[in-house]
Amino acid sequence: DVKVTQSSRYLVKRTGEKVFLECVQDMDHENMFWYRQDPGLGLRLIYFSYDVKMKEKGDIPEGYSVSREKKERFSLILESASTNQTSMYLCASSLYAGGSPLHFGNGTRLTVT
Amino acid sequence: TQLLEQSPQFLSIQEGENLTVYCNSSSVFSSLQWYRQEPGEGPVLLVTVVTGGEVKKLKRLTFQFGDARKDSSLHITAAQPGDTGLYLCAGEGDYKLSFGAGTTVTVRA
Repeated sequence: DVKVTQSSRYLVKRTGEKVFLECVQDMDHENMFWYRQDPGLGLRLIYFSYDVKMKEKGDIPEGYSVSREKKERFSLILESASTNQTSMYLCASSLYAGGSPLHFGNGTRLTVT
Repeated sequence: TQLLEQSPQFLSIQEGENLTVYCNSSSVFSSLQWYRQEPGEGPVLLVTVVTGGEVKKLKRLTFQFGDARKDSSLHITAAQPGDTGLYLCAGEGDYKLSFGAGTTVTVRA
């Protein structure tokens, strides 16, 4: 079974702080994704990566960056956290690109005060 | 981004009743996936439908993909409390997935 692990379940940060959200998958998947989930808005794609050191912008990349130095690890970075980035963040991986089924982590609930 | 609309947004039913959740779009999708998300967990894939008109059954869950591949439905027969969760549809188009906002289903014992 694929396991996608997000390092924190809950995080509380102050406005302006730099925030790192970490995600690790154990199934040698090429593709990794970061989504944010907000009530009534569903899942929105922030960034994705189809290979080490490669990254592509999703639908809402503003205010975020990512890092993929190793195949199994994909990090989401909030350079200067703002209150409108309070959300549930979900990491996912997939074997193939495109619309291949996703394997999700359990999420990180981030609160920015 | 291709828009997927799910209805209803919330559904609360008694154990043993049937329910249907809808997922509609004006866009054509290569395939459509359904996920269930339980509180405190990430979404888990239930099924992928690929062919227009396709019907897939997973125990008490029946999934249908519209003939024009623009819409899908999920029907649960004799719902149980364990079916409680957020049901999400996701359509594949332009080599990526677009998610609906989800339907929150509560099955009361």
